Amino acid sequence: DIVMTQSPDSLAVSLGERATINCKSSQSVFNTVNNKNYLAWYQQKPGQPPKLLIYWASTRESGVPDRFSGSGSGTDFTLSISSLQAEDVAVYYCQQYYSNPPFVTFGQGTKVEIK
Amino acid sequence: QVQLVESGGGVVQPGTSVRLSCEASGFTFSNYGMHWVRQAPGKGLEWVAVIWNDASKKVYAESWKGRLTISRDNPKRTLYLQIEDLGAEDTAVYYCARRCSGGACGLDYWGQGIPVTVSS
Repeated sequence: DIVMTQSPDSLAVSLGERATINCKSSQSVFNTVNNKNYLAWYQQKPGQPPKLLIYWASTRESGVPDRFSGSGSGTDFTLSISSLQAEDVAVYYCQQYYSNPPFVTFGQGTKVEIK
Repeated sequence: QVQLVESGGGVVQPGTSVRLSCEASGFTFSNYGMHWVRQAPGKGLEWVAVIWNDASKKVYAESWKGRLTISRDNPKRTLYLQIEDLGAEDTAVYYCARRCSGGACGLDYWGQGIPVTVSS
């Protein structure tokens, strides 16, 4: 199975500053047929279900603010929040949807807080 | 708008079974694969199972050791998850989630989740 490892487990960032979360997969999630990375990012606020933010490693879901961006390829990925807002306090998960089966595995999550 | 509403959870006795339901609306249910994902208290997300749009394929997380049955009733727009031989480790919030069309983006819509507490 593909194992997803996020770092750090938690981080505290000042309002308006950049937050960066890393995600590493134990094997590549890049599909050479369609040149896509099967990597998504989710945001989960307390008491709520996860919300899809980014897919194909860098494509923002409709309605997601452009301060959220994803990058990376193969096994190493990053989620960045360019200017942290109070409403961005949440746990963020990376997820691969490349392997078949299992169809989905998640990272352990990164908690983002305000410094 | 897309809505997924889980039901069937609650407090259940160890060693018994539970059947969770997820009623879908706002989209053509029969066109989409569906997942179950769970989250133990204070823990991360754990994928449980997926079923194809026409139920032709079902895949389970290996750790469940045959205790699961995922199914769906497309005319009723409802997804199900049957869990047998429940243990304390199954205490979690269970989410149903829609698989993106063609698997293009992971899981694009999630229900609010239904808590299951295994306790005597």
